[in-house]
Amino acid sequence: AQKITQTQPGMFVQEKEAVTLDCTYDTSDQSYGLFWYKQPSSGEMIFLIYQGSYDEQNATEGRYSLNFQKARKSANLVISASQLGDSAMYFCAMRGEDSSYKLIFGSGTRLLVRP
Amino acid sequence: GAVVSQHPSWVICKSGTSVKIECRSLDFQATTMFWYRQFPKQSLMLMATSNEGSKATYEQGVEKDKFLINHASLTLSTLTVTSAHPEDSSFYICSAIVDTNSYEQYFGPGTRLTVT
Repeated sequence: AQKITQTQPGMFVQEKEAVTLDCTYDTSDQSYGLFWYKQPSSGEMIFLIYQGSYDEQNATEGRYSLNFQKARKSANLVISASQLGDSAMYFCAMRGEDSSYKLIFGSGTRLLVRP
Repeated sequence: GAVVSQHPSWVICKSGTSVKIECRSLDFQATTMFWYRQFPKQSLMLMATSNEGSKATYEQGVEKDKFLINHASLTLSTLTVTSAHPEDSSFYICSAIVDTNSYEQYFGPGTRLTVT
């Protein structure tokens, strides 16, 4: 069975600083995808970044980067130069190699950016 | 980018009544849509996978007779909560796949259901 673990229920970061949100996963699939989503208080799920299990380089999207360590089964999200608008819930998710395309989500990390 | 809408954005209903939530892909055709439920301060839990023209696939523990899913067209999936009870109060979110060859999955804005 697949599982996503986010061990940080809440995090604080000072504005303009970088922050790392942890995510570990468990799967027996050879091919899988890892995602990070942001959920502000409005409830919408905003896609941030994707990493495929066979991608050799860490994914980056603007201020977001994914620190993918396959051997450790970790896929941490790094947000650089934090902004007040980054305050939100962040979810790590995984999709396995079956054809269902469904996502399994972690429990989430609430990030609060301090001015 | 691909846009998914949900209607209504929030709904209050009385215990014992049924409520229908719509999920639409506005600018693309979605052969597969997903329905998630999120309780306060918790994660998203997949309820079912909805495929156009076929029966939905429900996750273990989800009552298919209580949560009726219909994917009648390539742009519309509906979730009907039948005989709703207060414990069904939750945030329901749908998502859709644009392209089965792509990893991208787009989420609707969610529907907050309160059963009194």
